[in-house]
Amino acid sequence: GENVEQHPSTLSVQEGDSAVIKCTYSDSASNYFPWYKQELGKGPQLIIDIRSNVGEKKDQRIAVTLNKTAKHFSLHITETQPEDSAVYFCAATSNFGNEKLTFGTGTRLTIIP
Amino acid sequence: EAGVAQSPRYKIIEKRQSVAFWCNPISGHATLYWYQQILGQGPKLLIQFQNNGVVDDSQLPKDRFSAERLKGVDSTLKIQPAKLEDSAVYLCASSPRGGRGTDTQYFGPGTRLTVL
Repeated sequence: GENVEQHPSTLSVQEGDSAVIKCTYSDSASNYFPWYKQELGKGPQLIIDIRSNVGEKKDQRIAVTLNKTAKHFSLHITETQPEDSAVYFCAATSNFGNEKLTFGTGTRLTIIP
Repeated sequence: EAGVAQSPRYKIIEKRQSVAFWCNPISGHATLYWYQQILGQGPKLLIQFQNNGVVDDSQLPKDRFSAERLKGVDSTLKIQPAKLEDSAVYLCASSPRGGRGTDTQYFGPGTRLTVL
């Protein structure tokens, strides 16, 4: 089955700086990679996703890059703001089999004002 | 559009007791998921329904966990008897189409279970 590793587990950045979270996956058949943001006491919320037919996707201050050869993908947040503080999870799934989402272990991002 | 609803939000029980969680997915969503999220870890899929049929329950501890989705809408997840290691947040999610993992999954707020 799929195995997703995520680093770092905690990350603190100054407000206005950029944050980068990296994930690797094991199943070469995986072709969908969503990122979720989880605030305290809430369920995960999708913030951006990327499919294997593209290498990069941007949405305002958030971008995701995918390297299928190396089997890794990254989340980039620019001009960080206090409301970006949360736990971020990457995930991977395949179009084959039961198409189950496998999540990483999460990154706790803290934005320092 | 209303989101995924879950209740209760918090539950404290003693080991060997039973507990049930309820989920109401987004209206019209065909697929419903139950995840277990242990503190400090990512969500782990327990069971996936498409309409009222089970698609995947390979990671559901069937000796103590059970789930059903009546009429393809609401769902309940039950644990009987509970163990200490069942302490976790139980998340329900739904997606609009027919169980494709590439569909966006919308999560509810979760039920935090503490087993003493």
